[in-house]
Amino acid sequence: GESVGLHLPTLSVQEGDNSIINCAYSNSASDYFIWYKQESGKGPQFIIDIRSNMDKRQGQRVTVLLNKTVKHLSLQIAATQPGDSAVYFCAENRVTGGGNKLTFGTGTQLKVEL
Amino acid sequence: EADIYQTPRYLVIGTGKKITLECSQTMGHDKMYWYQQDPGMELHLIHYSYGVNSTEKGDLSSESTVSRIRTEHFPLTLESARPSHTSQYLCASSEPHRYEQYFGPGTRLTVT
Repeated sequence: GESVGLHLPTLSVQEGDNSIINCAYSNSASDYFIWYKQESGKGPQFIIDIRSNMDKRQGQRVTVLLNKTVKHLSLQIAATQPGDSAVYFCAENRVTGGGNKLTFGTGTQLKVEL
Repeated sequence: EADIYQTPRYLVIGTGKKITLECSQTMGHDKMYWYQQDPGMELHLIHYSYGVNSTEKGDLSSESTVSRIRTEHFPLTLESARPSHTSQYLCASSEPHRYEQYFGPGTRLTVT
């Protein structure tokens, strides 16, 4: 349980600007991807998901883009607000016998400056 | 939003003590999971269950054990806590045939 380091990638944006958070995944067989938001002292909260047969999906103020060629996922947040400040994780899904498992990437700390 | 609860939220305990972290969900989800997360780091799966009497070890080796006697309850036990167990433990659940997982608020464990 010891930390190797606490150097989360950090993205600082001005309030009202758009944010783009990137994620590289490892397994070309992954069939589903999720973005989670984790605020300090809380558990991760589901934001948006995308299946591997899609390359774009939009939600309220958020868009996820999937590039399977380079195994890259991005989360775009429009008109970033102070309440968007959090750590954002991408997760890839793998089907296993009897169910599925999510593998989480290294998070990105989003800081919104007023 | 799923209702998933973890107790205690914070626990400070001495080395060698036995502890049980509680996790309950009221959604009737078959699948439940335990993750370990160090500050500022990614989540690592340590245990999961696909239903009553089903438990499996996750990707990260852990000295903890779990049980699943009831659908709604998935407790995690450490028989003898050590400082290396200091971490945040997150419980999650998901519906049958769906991949997204809903997380509880976590238990922050400190072993002195």
